[in-house]
Amino acid sequence: GAGVSQTPSNKVTEKGKYVELRCDPISGHTALYWYRQSLGQGPEFLIYFQGTGAADDSGLPNDRFFAVRPEGSVSTLKIQRTERGDSAVYLCASSLNPLGAGEGEQFFGPGTRLTVL
Amino acid sequence: GEDVEQSLFLSVREGDSSVINCTYTDSSSTYLYWYKQEPGAGLQLLTYIFSNMDMKQDQRLTVLLNKKDKHLSLRIADTQTGDSAIYFCAESSGGYNKLIFGAGTRLAVHP
Repeated sequence: GAGVSQTPSNKVTEKGKYVELRCDPISGHTALYWYRQSLGQGPEFLIYFQGTGAADDSGLPNDRFFAVRPEGSVSTLKIQRTERGDSAVYLCASSLNPLGAGEGEQFFGPGTRLTVL
Repeated sequence: GEDVEQSLFLSVREGDSSVINCTYTDSSSTYLYWYKQEPGAGLQLLTYIFSNMDMKQDQRLTVLLNKKDKHLSLRIADTQTGDSAIYFCAESSGGYNKLIFGAGTRLAVHP
């Protein structure tokens, strides 16, 4: 079956521009997570959605970052006034049940590589 | 705060065992995970262990958990060239399985 998909796979933008990154989770998964992975590092948590609501956005670096999930399925991560330090791979993951492993296993998408020039 | 530490590199000969170590700080973590990342591919869950277990075996993989020392290890038996990848240790945080990852251990398998 279809896994988590993310578009675009690569995005190159100029400093100061606005970008949107899209995540299509596995159908029926209510939990959705965004992570950011900088070069040579492990993924860092950004935000978690349960259904349509952002239950924890404590990982968003600042108010230039915002994410939505209006219908409880597709999510969009939005970055305003991009900076060179925003360059990273942005990963999306979804799970059937957020409460622990097993059914709570997070399935990761391939990521969007964002490069800010 | 929460933190997960791993050694950065490990080189082994094909056919030998690999042991990747990890330390974590959040004693309330319910689950601890090992993920594999190959070049150009997404993160793949290899295995996980519940915090009240000491050991879990899954084919060539053995996970050992020392909860007192907050130390987790992944042993890969009969390591193959296809096992070459970056391995991430992660702890769960919060009631909704937010993952805190280490920086990853790059495993290189040579003939």
